Amino acid sequence: QKEVEQDPGPLSVPEGAIVSLNCTYSNSAFQYFMWYRQYSRKGPELLMYTYSSGNKEDGRFTAQVDKSSKYISLFIRDSQPSDSATYLCAMSATGSGGSNYKLTFGKGTLLTVNP
Amino acid sequence: DARVTQTPRHKVTEMGQEVTMRCQPILGHNTVFWYRQTMMQGLELLAYFRNRAPLDDSGMPKDRFSAEMPDATLATLKIQPSEPRDSAVYFCASAKGTLAGDEQYFGPGTRLTVT
Repeated sequence: QKEVEQDPGPLSVPEGAIVSLNCTYSNSAFQYFMWYRQYSRKGPELLMYTYSSGNKEDGRFTAQVDKSSKYISLFIRDSQPSDSATYLCAMSATGSGGSNYKLTFGKGTLLTVNP
Repeated sequence: DARVTQTPRHKVTEMGQEVTMRCQPILGHNTVFWYRQTMMQGLELLAYFRNRAPLDDSGMPKDRFSAEMPDATLATLKIQPSEPRDSAVYFCASAKGTLAGDEQYFGPGTRLTVT
């Protein structure tokens, strides 16, 4: 079992739909949870960041972390064609030493929002 | 605005040849990462440096890959000899801080094709 599992999709939705993207993980040491967005032929860019459990909202985006279930989600409200991209979840552990800088990524979910 | 730069953006080479990829991290960022992205494996961490010192290169095939930071403005990733299975997009990323949750800023990537 990989440390981070993410459904690769592809996911295709009409403009204005609510999108739900999810990842599961197996390493209980993960404390930092991120969502990166990657447009075609570009590098990933940080979209949302959450420490430990709970929800975080930023405009049309909401990130949720449920550590008891080892499950994280990203919700996109009122999706737009400009949201079409690959969304990667990423996680890292806390602790001493250099290893806590490592991000473990999901494989990414390809989202297309159709006008 | 400040961004990570990578050269070359594209590289096509024959099996057995040496490949060198270069990265200029954002000025003032003291942590530099090298990633490889493929359809099959997703985004994988190869190595990373903090204050130019290698912290972890466990993701890198040691026999053919090497990563260095000759100075604070340059990171290099070399493959010698290259093999077709090395074909991938190689990303460099940099981070300002030293915390596990610090945002990583990705470059545009080097698309490598080994024939």
